[in-house]
Order: sequence, then C-alpha cells, then structure tokens
Amino acid sequence: DQQVKQNSPSLSVQEGRISILNCDYTNSMFDYFLWYKKYPAEGPTFLISISSIKDKNEDGRFTVFLNKSAKHLSLHIVPSQPGDSAVYFCAASDFGNEKLTFGTGTRLTIIP
Amino acid sequence: NAGVTQTPKFRVLKTGQSMTLLCAQDMNHEYMYWYRQDPGMGLRLIHYSVGEGTTAKGEVPDGYNVSRLKKQNFLLGLESAAPSQTSVYFCASKRDGNTEAFFGQGTRLTVV
Repeated sequence: DQQVKQNSPSLSVQEGRISILNCDYTNSMFDYFLWYKKYPAEGPTFLISISSIKDKNEDGRFTVFLNKSAKHLSLHIVPSQPGDSAVYFCAASDFGNEKLTFGTGTRLTIIP
Repeated sequence: NAGVTQTPKFRVLKTGQSMTLLCAQDMNHEYMYWYRQDPGMGLRLIHYSVGEGTTAKGEVPDGYNVSRLKKQNFLLGLESAAPSQTSVYFCASKRDGNTEAFFGQGTRLTVV
C-alpha cells in the first residue's frame, strides 16, 4: 500500500520556466512533509519542508504548497535551472515523527 | 563534519553469503534508518531505530537484521543474500521532532 504517491515518473521543463512536481498521500495521520532532491550516485539531500499547520512554505526559488483536504502537496521551482535536473522525492512523517515514508520519485529534466 | 557515512560503497556478493553494512553518524541524532532504492519503487524503509538499543521494522524488513549498540552506529545485516536484495542501500539519521533526515552516499550491493 503506497501511502505517498508521485504519479509522474518524469517531467521535462524548459530552462527559466516553472517546474511543478506533485505528490499525493493517503494517511491522514501525516503531519510533516518534505521534499528531497537526488543526483545520480549521491544520497538524497533535503530541499524544503512544510508542517500541516501551514499551506505554503517558500525558500528562494522553491515553494511547497499543501492542500490537506485533498491530501496533496506540490513543489514549485521558479525559475527552473539546469542544475535542478535530478530525481525529486516527496516524503511524509506522522505525529510520532518516527518513520519517514517516501514516494517513488519524479525525474525532472531541465532543457536548456 | 562527516555527517552520515556508509561503509562499504560497493559490494558484490554470491547468493547465500552474508555481510554487514555499517552506517555511522556524528550529529548525535536519535533516529536512524535503513532504506533501499529500487527502480520505480522509490525509497522503501527496511528497519529503523529511535535510540540506542532499540530497533523496529519498516516496510520491507524480511531478509535483513539490524543492531544499534552505539548511538552513532546502525548496522544492517544480510544473513543469506538473495538476488532480490540487489539494490542501493541508504542510511539516514535525524533529530527528534519535525526535522529533516540526513542521508549517506549509499551502498550499491549486487547479489549474483
């Protein structure tokens, strides 16, 4: 049972445009959400997070939006840069904060 | 500051052989995790630990054992390796609460 879902395995965006990556979850106990970025042959690195008490969090070019009623979050990257080409994972943890559950990832390719 | 270090980085095993993967963190984190990454499956949690001397099962624990004898180390053991355990293994650690996890560089394991 996939509790965190990223339905788009890949996404291609032109440099300078907006990249929007989507994530859906099924567990209503999740209350903290994170996005990670992963380059080949490296470990995932933390990008941005959001608590369930918020609906938006910004950090430079990256913004995460949370829609609790729809159990949906999205990551916006504006403007997209070639260095943003990577696999992006959505992750969630519940109130106990013990386990971190990941989605299947979306491969983002920025076209110069 | 090394962060999270995994040993070894690469390994080839024959079916039935055993091995131990070592994860070490120098951030005094309470929580530690072992994930495996497979194509199209994202990061799946194998086992995790919420403190020294404690371990718990994740999504895919079968065929693996773990130990957390020291706070800074989390060991993942394969008693009798199978080709289905061919994967990239990632260790991660985090503090308590709504915080991000930090990942190691990964161990690429091939079982032939």
